[in-house]
Amino acid sequence: GAGVSQSPSNKVTEKGKDVELRCDPISGHTALYWYRQSLGQGLEFLIYFQGNSAPDKSGLPSDRFSAERTGGSVSTLTIQRTQQEDSAVYLCASSGRGGDYSNQPQHFGDGTRLSIL
Amino acid sequence: GDSVTQMEGPVTLSEEAFLTINCTYTATGYPSLFWYVQYPGEGLQLLLKATKADDKGSNKGFEATYRKETTSFHLEKGSVQVSDSAVYFCALSAYNNNDMRFGAGTRLTVKP
Repeated sequence: GAGVSQSPSNKVTEKGKDVELRCDPISGHTALYWYRQSLGQGLEFLIYFQGNSAPDKSGLPSDRFSAERTGGSVSTLTIQRTQQEDSAVYLCASSGRGGDYSNQPQHFGDGTRLSIL
Repeated sequence: GDSVTQMEGPVTLSEEAFLTINCTYTATGYPSLFWYVQYPGEGLQLLLKATKADDKGSNKGFEATYRKETTSFHLEKGSVQVSDSAVYFCALSAYNNNDMRFGAGTRLTVKP
C-alpha cells in the first residue's frame, strides 16, 4: 500500500523484555516521527528523523528508548527492559519535504499497541 | 514553548446536531494549524489544515478558520453523523520545528 505501515499491530510482552517496533514510511518521505499515545492521553513526541541529519531525540522518556532509521527509510523503535508504564500505542508518521517543513502534514500509520504484563 | 489547548471531552451529540470543538494555541511566529481525526482502531488522519491567518480549512463538511487575533482554530460541522464518532486532535507546526504539537484530543460520540 501507499501509506505508512507499522508492525506488529499488537505486541504483548513481559516486564523486563526488550521490544522492537517497526515503521515503513511512505516512499520518498524524508521526515519520520515516532509518538506515544497512552490510554486517554494525547500524543507524546518521541523522536524525529529528517534525511541524513542527526535525529531529534529530545522526546525520548528514558535511555531505555532508542530508535534508528536505516537507509533513510525504515525505522525501528527499541524499548529495552520494558516497564508496565511503557504500555501504550506507538504511532509512526512520515511527511514529505517542502520549502517549509511546517506546512507538510504528517501521515500516520495505524500504530502498534504495546502491552506490558 | 509552543502548545495547543483543546476542549476536553467527551462530547456526545445527537445525529444532525451542530458541532464545535474549541482549540487555542500558543506559538511564536506563524504556525500552520491542523485538525486530525482518529477513528476507532486506526491511526490519525489529516482532516484539514490552514497555513496562514484567515485561511479556512475544510473537508467532509468540517471547517476551521485560522484566527490570529484570538489564536484559535475551532472545528465546526453543521450536522454531525454517527460516522463522525472519533477522537479529534488539534495540532500546530511552527516553522522549523521538528515536532508537531498536539492537543490532548476530544472524543466525539454521535448517537442516532
